[in-house]
Amino acid sequence: GESVGLHLPTLSVQEGDNSIINCAYSNSASDYFIWYKQESGKGPQFIIDIRSNMDKRQGQRVTVLLNKTVKHLSLQIAATQPGDSAVYFCAENIRGGATNKLIFGTGTLLAVQP
Amino acid sequence: EPEVTQTPSHQVTQMGQEVILRCVPISNHLYFYWYRQILGQKVEFLVSFYNNEISEKSEIFDDQFSVERPDGSNFTLKIRSTKLEDSAMYFCASRIQSMTQYFGPGTRLLVL
Repeated sequence: GESVGLHLPTLSVQEGDNSIINCAYSNSASDYFIWYKQESGKGPQFIIDIRSNMDKRQGQRVTVLLNKTVKHLSLQIAATQPGDSAVYFCAENIRGGATNKLIFGTGTLLAVQP
Repeated sequence: EPEVTQTPSHQVTQMGQEVILRCVPISNHLYFYWYRQILGQKVEFLVSFYNNEISEKSEIFDDQFSVERPDGSNFTLKIRSTKLEDSAMYFCASRIQSMTQYFGPGTRLLVL
C-alpha cells in the first residue's frame, strides 16, 4: 500500500560533478518512460524520454539508460549546476483504453552544492 | 513555447464545499489528464479524457469527482463535496499523439 509522508531519497553533489539518479519500475509491459524534474511549488517538467525498444538516449547534458532485464532506469546529468536542484521523478507509461497514464516513482531530491 | 495553464494557483475551501479547478491544455492537444500530489508524496493518476469522454479513472476518482471540457479550450475538475484528505496539488496534463504528457503548474487545494 501507499506510505504516508514518504521520505525522499536525496542525492547531494558538488557543482560540476556528474549526477546519477536511479529508478525502479514495476510493470514489464510499460513501453515508454519519462524523467520529470519538479521544482518546489511547480508542476513536473519534462526532461527526457525513452521507448522500451531502446537502451540509451542522450539529450543536452542528460542521458537516460534503460535496463529492461532488471526494470531499472537511470538519469545521468553531466556537469551538474545549482539550477538542477529539484526532485526528479521517473514515470512509466501504461497503456489503457484509448489513452495512456503515467505511473510515477517516489522521486529523488537532487541537492547541488555550489 | 505553448504551456498548460491552471487556475487558481491556490484554493482554500471548507470541508463539504464544491470546488472547480480549471485547466487550459496546449491548444492542439487531444488527450487530457488530471493528477494529484499529496504533500510529500508522489504524483498519482486520477483520470484521463479523450474525445469528450473519460477514458480511464483511478480508484481515487470516485463519485465526488467529475471532469468536463465545456468548450474548446478549458478542461475542469470538479470535486462536489470536499474532504480533508482532498488537500493536495492538482496537476492537469495534456498531450498530442505522442506519449509525452506536459504538465501545468498545478493548483494547491487546501480543505479546512
